[in-house]
Amino acid sequence: DTEVTQTPKHLVMGMTNKKSLKCEQHMGHRAMYWYKQKAKKPPELMFVYSYEKLSINESVPSRFSPECPNSSLLNLHLHALQPEDSALYLCASSQVDSNQPQHFGDGTRLSIL
Amino acid sequence: GQNIDQPTEMTATEGAIVQINCTYQTSGFNGLFWYQQHAGEAPTFLSYNVLDGLEEKGRFSSFLSRSKGYSYLLLKELQMKDSASYLCAQGGTDSWGKLQFGAGTQVVVTP
Repeated sequence: DTEVTQTPKHLVMGMTNKKSLKCEQHMGHRAMYWYKQKAKKPPELMFVYSYEKLSINESVPSRFSPECPNSSLLNLHLHALQPEDSALYLCASSQVDSNQPQHFGDGTRLSIL
Repeated sequence: GQNIDQPTEMTATEGAIVQINCTYQTSGFNGLFWYQQHAGEAPTFLSYNVLDGLEEKGRFSSFLSRSKGYSYLLLKELQMKDSASYLCAQGGTDSWGKLQFGAGTQVVVTP
């Protein structure tokens, strides 16, 4: 079990659907991250929030929209996704300190039909 | 950008030792992390090095040489459950929070 909880674990959606991925942590971390991971590849950073403010957007298409409602929650809103967006989406959190490790959730496996 | 190089796959027998090497670009270096990821699961943090030398944590140790841009993860007394992908990740000074991951080394432990 991880201390970063992601829901849902699996999601299948059509290209016209709107859905949201959710992430929650109660470790008091003030930095939260979204990553995308394809099979047999390393995680690719998408977004970083620091103190609930977006600090890094790695040129992610606008069909992915992050939201950080409070220090414990991180959402990723999905709209009009493409088949190539099918992947494992990982959330992570850490203290706001580059020496501290990021703690990952188990991810949401997303399939776009 | 930051290039992280590590071998694609390594195979070893139960009880043996395996050393996974990782090389990185030294400019903008701000620490090196090792993560373990079992198939279909989350990456889990193993170790962190920011100064030269060896960090030991039970069966796992990690070494760093900043001047050579080189790190290794040493897995001792291998167990079947150690079969996983091991990811080397570099923290950078140019952008806080941005980890650059290597492609991962798949370790296969055989009986």
